[in-house]
Amino acid sequence: GAVVSQHPSRVICKSGTSVKIECRSLDFQATTMFWYRQFPKKSLMLMATSNEGSKATYEQGVEKDKFLINHASLTLSTLTVTSAHPEDSSFYICSASRGAGNEQFFGPGTRLTVL
Amino acid sequence: EDQVTQSPEALRLQEGESSSLNCSYTVSGLRGLFWYRQDPGKGPEFLFTLYSAGEEKEKERLKATLTKKESFLHITAPKPEDSATYLCAVRRSGSARQLTFGSGTQLTVLP
Repeated sequence: GAVVSQHPSRVICKSGTSVKIECRSLDFQATTMFWYRQFPKKSLMLMATSNEGSKATYEQGVEKDKFLINHASLTLSTLTVTSAHPEDSSFYICSASRGAGNEQFFGPGTRLTVL
Repeated sequence: EDQVTQSPEALRLQEGESSSLNCSYTVSGLRGLFWYRQDPGKGPEFLFTLYSAGEEKEKERLKATLTKKESFLHITAPKPEDSATYLCAVRRSGSARQLTFGSGTQLTVLP
């Protein structure tokens, strides 16, 4: 199967600091990776689409300067939450898509808590 | 704008009590309808992809069907380990693989 990992699984930080979340496709090359945010008992909200070697495409309302996305290789994408504030606390989930087929395979998620 | 509506929001079943979850969708040019299972505090786990009306797919106690307006996820003789939130998502033609998700159905199967 297609395995996607995220690191860290949980992070607690102080307000004003930056946090980096890594998303890796472990057994396949992901031409496209996606970053989602999920609030308690709500569905996934797409934040941005990331293609290897190019700039990410952000959804309307998502601040690109606050949520920095880097997709440096076909197996790694990173999301950096800059100058985090309590309202950024959420569950962040990445997914990866292979070149062939439409399925997105999701990582286990990262729980961010900003104090 | 693509819309995905799932019902019911929550469903409680006794072990062995079969039922169905509904996913109604509005999308311009369906390029795939996806079912995922999500356990608390974890990322979604891929279950099925359906591409055209009339298509059906099965996996263990789960069977997914698709019409031009909705999809059903049938659960036959569920077990407590089937308890999870089931998410439905659609992909539109030309959307660069982006998915629009429904809000999910939280299923609880009681022993």
